Amino acid sequence: SQQGEEDPQALSIQEGENATMNCSYKTSINNLQWYRQNSGRGLVHLILIRSNEREKHSGRLRVTLDTSKKSSSLLITASRAADTASYFCGAGTASKLTFGTGTRLQVTL
Amino acid sequence: NAGVTQTPKFQVLKTGQSMTLQCAQDMNHEYMSWYRQDPGMGLRLIHYSVGAGITDQGEVPNGYNVSRSTTEDFPLRLLSAAPSQTSVYFCASTMGEGNAYEQYFGPGTRLTVT
Repeated sequence: SQQGEEDPQALSIQEGENATMNCSYKTSINNLQWYRQNSGRGLVHLILIRSNEREKHSGRLRVTLDTSKKSSSLLITASRAADTASYFCGAGTASKLTFGTGTRLQVTL
Repeated sequence: NAGVTQTPKFQVLKTGQSMTLQCAQDMNHEYMSWYRQDPGMGLRLIHYSVGAGITDQGEVPNGYNVSRSTTEDFPLRLLSAAPSQTSVYFCASTMGEGNAYEQYFGPGTRLTVT
């Protein structure tokens, strides 16, 4: 079964706005990762947050992790049209990572 | 580095045919994985390998075989294709281990079984 489940399934915003997407997972984790997938391409790693971290930043990305609620959120600030993609959270081990169904983000001009 | 490469990019098979999807990586990563992605289903793990000569099943292994004779290559075999195997297939290799790792994905193979 899939470890992570993203919410919402789809999100449409205007350029410059912030985008927030959430992920819930089922079992204990060592870390949680977020990936982006552009249409027709493979996933690209964005950011990893360890289980002992609560918040992490990378450029316009901010990830939070709440292990008590088994949930994580990804915030993209000042979104751009180029951020249009699907976003997935992944959880598991280095050899066996499982993903949710993703959030489709559409950023319009 | 070429990263993770997959061939072919597109393939159409008839039901019952067999084929091998190729995957190679030049980053000397120990771990490699195969996923399939269907609309609205996200990625599901088919098989994975933690090193040459070692493979294991993922979430949806039925109908697929794998082998790992070298660190670089991890082919996926469909023995008797079925329409339910129509999907996009992604191969990935993993850098790191323990509590810090990330997966590198190939560009995918789009397979249609008629």
